[in-house]
Amino acid sequence: NAGVTQTPKFRILKIGQSMTLQCTQDMNHNYMYWYRQDPGMGLKLIYYSVGAGITDKGEVPNGYNVSRSTTEDFPLRLELAAPSQTSVYFCASSYGAGVDTQYFGPGTRLTVL
Amino acid sequence: QKEVEQDPGPLSVPEGAIVSLNCTYSNSAFQYFMWYRQYSRKGPELLMYTYSSGNKEDGRFTAQVDKSSKYISLFIRDSQPSDSATYLCAMKISGGSNYKLTFGKGTLLTVNP
Repeated sequence: NAGVTQTPKFRILKIGQSMTLQCTQDMNHNYMYWYRQDPGMGLKLIYYSVGAGITDKGEVPNGYNVSRSTTEDFPLRLELAAPSQTSVYFCASSYGAGVDTQYFGPGTRLTVL
Repeated sequence: QKEVEQDPGPLSVPEGAIVSLNCTYSNSAFQYFMWYRQYSRKGPELLMYTYSSGNKEDGRFTAQVDKSSKYISLFIRDSQPSDSATYLCAMKISGGSNYKLTFGKGTLLTVNP
C-alpha cells in the first residue's frame, strides 16, 4: 500500500512552459486535493475532487487545471508557467469529508525561471 | 484578521524539554482541530485531532482546545531530536460534507541533542 504518490519530485520550468503534476492514490479514497505550500505561508488549496468526474476550485485556482477520470488519479496541469507558481505542490486524499483524515503525498518542488 | 494565526518560530529547545506550540483562530464555527507534523522535504502527516473543547493525550503529545479563547495548543513532553519538524495546526468547521481545512503557517521546531 503506497498511499499517495506524486511525480516528479523536482522540476524546473521556463516561463510560459506547461507541465502536468501527477498524483495517484491506492487507498480507494473518494476525495482528492491539490495544495501549494509557499515558504512561511502554510498550505493553500488549489483544486479538489469528490469523485471521478467531479472537480471544483479551491482558494487559489488561477493558472491551474485538473481532471479526475479515475478514482486513483488526480493530475494538476500548469499552463503558461509563471514565477509566481514556484512552490511545493502537495496532493492529498481522504475517504470522505467531515473528520476523515487527509493523507498527503511527498510533494513536487517546482521552480519557474 | 487572519482566520488562523500561528507563530512561525523557529523554536529551538534542548532534548528533554517540554514544548508548547500554539494557534489562535477567529472563526467560531471551527469544531475540528488538528495538528500535522511535517519533516523537512516531506508531506504533512496527521499527528492528532480533537473535536470541540478539551484535551487529548497520545503518548508524549497532548492537544488542548479552548474554544472560549479561540486558542489551541500542542504540548510535547520529553522532546526528542526526532521531534524536529514543522508543526502545522489545521481546523475545520463541522458538517459531514465539509472538506475544507484551514491551516496555520506552521512552527519550525528543532530539538537539540
